[in-house]
Amino acid sequence: DAKTTQPTSMDCAEGRAANLPCNHSTISGNEYVYWYRQIHSQGPQYIIHGLKNNETNEMASLIITEDRKSSTLILPHATLRDTAVYYCIVRAYSGAGSYQLTFGKGTKLSVIP
Amino acid sequence: EAGVVQSPRYKIIEKKQPVAFWCNPISGHNTLYWYLQNLGQGPELLIRYENEEAVDDSQLPKDRFSAERLKGVDSTLKIQPAELGDSAVYLCASSLGQDSAYEQYFGPGTRLTVT
Repeated sequence: DAKTTQPTSMDCAEGRAANLPCNHSTISGNEYVYWYRQIHSQGPQYIIHGLKNNETNEMASLIITEDRKSSTLILPHATLRDTAVYYCIVRAYSGAGSYQLTFGKGTKLSVIP
Repeated sequence: EAGVVQSPRYKIIEKKQPVAFWCNPISGHNTLYWYLQNLGQGPELLIRYENEEAVDDSQLPKDRFSAERLKGVDSTLKIQPAELGDSAVYLCASSLGQDSAYEQYFGPGTRLTVT
């Protein structure tokens, strides 16, 4: 499985854009980049995923570099409720039609008032 | 739409006692997962079900852990006997299928403390 590298923690001022980086230099051509977040005492929550192209939804934008070795999750206007651990995951094929999520330690994002 | 429901939310037991966790997935979701999350770590997959069938249980410690998903809906994860090292959060998740297009929806988890 491709591994991911994320900073341990980041701060962001409320109302500003939060840019969370992720390195996945060993990613294969058919592996997707997924982002989940986990707010304290809750289960992980799906945010967004992509393969090659940049993606945007109501929660965030995902920018994937052309060589696919890194990506950035962008929360355009961070609020205090965005304080959470953010996981960047390369979702790899694990056989029998299954794609497994392998979580690392993630980035602890703190949104500051 | 109701999300993934888990109970209990918290459980405190003494070591060597049995414990069981229950999960009700989102309606219509065929795939169900149980994860273990230790403090400060990301979740780790224990077992995955496709309907009633456990299709990936390679990470489940089978000497003390067991799971079932009767009728392909609700699931139960059991530990017998519990050890101190089993203290963790046990998360249940479900998805429409196992294909990469389907995201997983997680429940709030059960926090187990073994004393």
